[in-house]
Amino acid sequence: ETGVTQTPRHLVMGMTNKKSLKCEQHLGHNAMYWYKQSAKKPLELMFVYSLEERVENNSVPSRFSPECPNSSHLFLHLHTLQPEDSALYLCASSQDFGDSGSPLHFGNGTRLTVT
Amino acid sequence: AQSVTQPDIHITVSEGASLELRCNYSYGATPYLFWYVQSPGQGLQLLLKYFSGDTLVQGIKGFEAEFKRSQSSFNLRKPSVHWSDAAEYFCARPDQSGGSYIPTFGRGTSLIVHP
Repeated sequence: ETGVTQTPRHLVMGMTNKKSLKCEQHLGHNAMYWYKQSAKKPLELMFVYSLEERVENNSVPSRFSPECPNSSHLFLHLHTLQPEDSALYLCASSQDFGDSGSPLHFGNGTRLTVT
Repeated sequence: AQSVTQPDIHITVSEGASLELRCNYSYGATPYLFWYVQSPGQGLQLLLKYFSGDTLVQGIKGFEAEFKRSQSSFNLRKPSVHWSDAAEYFCARPDQSGGSYIPTFGRGTSLIVHP
């Protein structure tokens, strides 16, 4: 059982489509994260939100657009993606951002395939 | 330079054998270190964490890790591996970015368990 829920689990989209990934956490945490996990590459931090304010944008292309309407929900809006964007997108939360001792709690990810 | 290094991409062990997964860390402002496990089709789950004090840390699922400052290592161990331990294992630490800490992960070690 995970306190972080991601939907959908799988998504196939064409390069001209617009879709959104959703993440919801039930842990009362103040920070939420998007990570990209590609085969044979390290986990890449994409965005961090702390108390609904974006605090990190790790040089992510503008075709990825995050949204954090409240501290429990995080979205990743996708448009005009490229095939190399195919990956597992992981959402995570932590009690606070910037607290070096706070572990991350991950969802099960959305497996995205761009055709 | 990468904050944490996992030198082994794959490790293969027989069920029932002992296991040690290596993690080396570079000098940083915080000694906090974490191990996470990712089973197929799932997100990452925290196994254990080291903050300070006793250098031998016990985690879930029978895992332990030992912090060795002299070797800059934080290796993960398990005395007897089960087939269900087959997964990807990530060492992690917070890296300082501006005035905050960003969770940073190693490239991961894939554990294969032979019956």
